[in-house]
Amino acid sequence: DAGVTQSPTHLIKTRGQQVTLRCSPKSGHDTVSWYQQALGQGPQFIFQYYEEEERQRGNFPDRFSGHQFPNYSSELNVNALLLGDSALYLCASSHIYRQGPSGNTIYFGEGSWLTVV
Amino acid sequence: AQSVAQPEDQVNVAEGNPLTVKCTYSVSGNPYLFWYVQYPNRGLQFLLKYITGDNLVKGSYGFEAEFNKSQTSFHLKKPSALVSDSALYFCAVRDSPTGFQKLVFGTGTRLLVSP
Repeated sequence: DAGVTQSPTHLIKTRGQQVTLRCSPKSGHDTVSWYQQALGQGPQFIFQYYEEEERQRGNFPDRFSGHQFPNYSSELNVNALLLGDSALYLCASSHIYRQGPSGNTIYFGEGSWLTVV
Repeated sequence: AQSVAQPEDQVNVAEGNPLTVKCTYSVSGNPYLFWYVQYPNRGLQFLLKYITGDNLVKGSYGFEAEFNKSQTSFHLKKPSALVSDSALYFCAVRDSPTGFQKLVFGTGTRLLVSP
């Protein structure tokens, strides 16, 4: 059973450029969330997708956008990159209503390291 | 707003000794609490969660956590630490068990287990 997979693992971009990060959720999961983890800090919630719609959003500017596809996979797009966008971007997946021992648990991928120079 | 606090930036323990990583929470309503571990240059791995039920929750890799409602705490524990337990540990709270909810993380506690 594959867990949450993310690509690319590492990437370097220049200020002002745009970046797209990709995520495939854990098998059986229908909800995808994105988090930003700056160096030395805890992860911060960016937004969450369910049924191809953004359902909840954290305190991030509109430069951060996303998409969810019919197969539940997701993309995170960041436009007009700033140096401060350098961080580990984590994708997390869960099932919206599943109960039981594995329910209500959010699983994370290995992350995509973004460096903006 | 839901929040968690991890008062210790780092915890040092000798291998074989018991370890405790502290977490306190502030929520409106019932708390849904989680512990995750992050090894260097890796993502977050789920350790355990408290939703309801027994106050002592058992999780992966021999870890357990004790939920204390009166002290609003959810401390992570392990009876005998291993060098391989050295990592960054995050406590997190979720608004409710289902639905469109997010995790709010603490600042993390670095655990260093010495041989």
